[in-house]
Amino acid sequence: GAVVSQHPSRVICKSGTSVKIECRSLDFQATTMFWYRQFPKQSLMLMATSNEGSKATYEQGVEKDKFLINHASLTLSTLTVTSAHPEDSSFYICSARGVGATEAFFGQGTRLTVV
Amino acid sequence: QKEVEQNSGPLSVPEGAIASLNCTYSDRVSQSFFWYRQYSGKSPELIMSIYSNGDKEDGRFTAQLNKASQYVSLLIRDSQPSDSATYLCAVEASNYQLIWGAGTKLIIKP
Repeated sequence: GAVVSQHPSRVICKSGTSVKIECRSLDFQATTMFWYRQFPKQSLMLMATSNEGSKATYEQGVEKDKFLINHASLTLSTLTVTSAHPEDSSFYICSARGVGATEAFFGQGTRLTVV
Repeated sequence: QKEVEQNSGPLSVPEGAIASLNCTYSDRVSQSFFWYRQYSGKSPELIMSIYSNGDKEDGRFTAQLNKASQYVSLLIRDSQPSDSATYLCAVEASNYQLIWGAGTKLIIKP
């Protein structure tokens, strides 16, 4: 299957700082990328959907000014958690889908801990 | 509200037996269905996709779809301890978004 690379895999940051997470499609052009958040023992929660060159569409309850998503190219999307707080600690996962693809492929996930 | 329902488990199955995982969905127009496996602390991994009624087999895995009953299942034959994980059912909605079930925790006992 296609490869999606997500970095970093783990990050610890201080409260009030910002963290950027990168999601790259290595061998295909990702026209649509999805960002999820997963809390322990819960299922994936979609945060936003982004199409290349367009503004991301955020799900209800997700603050677009806090979770900045950029999908400037067909192989890279970034999620920046601004002014992070301990309650933002979670497992963040991206997935990417190419043109005509029947499925999306997931990155490895990023474990964010805000202290 | 589009929903995907799964029994949270845990489902305990002896090694070598068949594990049966079930999922129901609410959106009748859904056309694409997926089973993902997620190990603790890892991201989901696609196991099976199914798009038409009936069975689809891939190795030890068989996905079954019944659109009339809005029901999707995953069978794992000859269960191995390495199959122990949480299995997530996902149904595709508009704009390729996936509606996720809560996941079923599967435990294969040696």
